[in-house]
Amino acid sequence: DTEVTQTPKHLVMGMTNKKSLKCEQHMGHRAMYWYKQKAKKPPELMFVYSYEKLSINESVPSRFSPECPNSSLLNLHLHALQPEDSALYLCASRGGEGPDTQYFGPGTRLTVL
Amino acid sequence: KQEVTQIPAALSVPEGENLVLNCSFTDSAIYNLQWFRQDPGKGLTSLLLIQSSQREQTSGRLNASLDKSSGRSTLYIAASQPGDSATYLCAVASGSTLTFGKGTMLLVSP
Repeated sequence: DTEVTQTPKHLVMGMTNKKSLKCEQHMGHRAMYWYKQKAKKPPELMFVYSYEKLSINESVPSRFSPECPNSSLLNLHLHALQPEDSALYLCASRGGEGPDTQYFGPGTRLTVL
Repeated sequence: KQEVTQIPAALSVPEGENLVLNCSFTDSAIYNLQWFRQDPGKGLTSLLLIQSSQREQTSGRLNASLDKSSGRSTLYIAASQPGDSATYLCAVASGSTLTFGKGTMLLVSP
């Protein structure tokens, strides 16, 4: 099973709402990633978790809060977002310590009104 | 800082043609290079991964090459089909992170 799942597929929220995106993988991978992708742009790295610890944070605003409750799950908590945060949010996972393929989920399409 | 460039930005070909997508990167100290396909509004599908010690990888009608010393990779698609229409992204791995190019948008017309 090489699947990364993401829920929800679509999310519309107001600027005062609090919501969460969820990502799950059952490949035994120990590194998980959040990316943000705007239309016609490449994915931009937001966070990297390695062995359930945050290892890279690419200076993302604090209105995005990642959480890795266990090695299979990765959440992205959203609070007080801005319309410019509307994008496709992609989760990915990678196995082991060495270089390896990153497997991407289908993404969550987020619209902030 | 690693920079990845993909040429062309867009490509339109008739069905059946063989085609080549290009990717170049500035820092040759990479672990691997990965080619992805992305359909509109969808996630990324990994097509091929080439380790830094390898020269090429093949999967079906796809062949990817890597020349690490010159900082170049190509993705060759044989006998293109309308179902190949998508954006193709090249990404290089340095450590645990990927640096993406901006992609080549491919349209294969019947």
